[in-house]
Amino acid sequence: DAGVTQSPTHLIKTRGQQVTLRCSPKSGHDTVSWYQQALGQGPQFIFQYYEEEERQRGNFPDRFSGHQFPNYSSELNVNALLLGDSALYLCASSRRDTQYFGPGTRLTVL
Amino acid sequence: KNQVEQSPQSLIILEGKNCTLQCNYTVSPFSNLRWYKQDTGRGPVSLTIMTFSENTKSNGRYTATLDADTKQSSLHITASQLSDSASYICVVSEGNTGGFKTIFGAGTRLFVKA
Repeated sequence: DAGVTQSPTHLIKTRGQQVTLRCSPKSGHDTVSWYQQALGQGPQFIFQYYEEEERQRGNFPDRFSGHQFPNYSSELNVNALLLGDSALYLCASSRRDTQYFGPGTRLTVL
Repeated sequence: KNQVEQSPQSLIILEGKNCTLQCNYTVSPFSNLRWYKQDTGRGPVSLTIMTFSENTKSNGRYTATLDADTKQSSLHITASQLSDSASYICVVSEGNTGGFKTIFGAGTRLFVKA
């Protein structure tokens, strides 16, 4: 079992561009959550997907959108990137309770 | 407002010593509380998870306690090792659906020195 995987590992974009991050959940997990973690801060909840629908959403603008596929994998899309979007983006999968986190994608916006 | 506060913000201890990290929360309704270890630039790794009825749980040298009445939790690390240097994050889940809204603390940054 590969656990939760994320791609890419690192990404550099410029302001105004769009980015797509990908997450494959742990085997048997049907729920995927996305978090943004700024340097030195705790993760901030972006949204959660279950059965291909957004089930919960944190306090993030509409520039942040996502998708979950029938195989439970998920994408996070961010449009019109801002410098402040630079962060570690974490994906966590779960089935019922405990979340398992992926290694994260480090996004740098220049 | 649901919040999770951790203290201290950072901590330096010598290898072999014990330490205790604190977590206070105001999340309601409460579902569960988890402690994670996060190495710099990596994803968090679960250490313990406790529900309302549990007041202590151990994972090797890590022991977590929970007082649901006072809404406080602690993570005790015994005989620290250099590899324990990391951020320790307290996470509280709201509600009872399991589908959960989770609130993260800002973490305690632990430095273990030789």
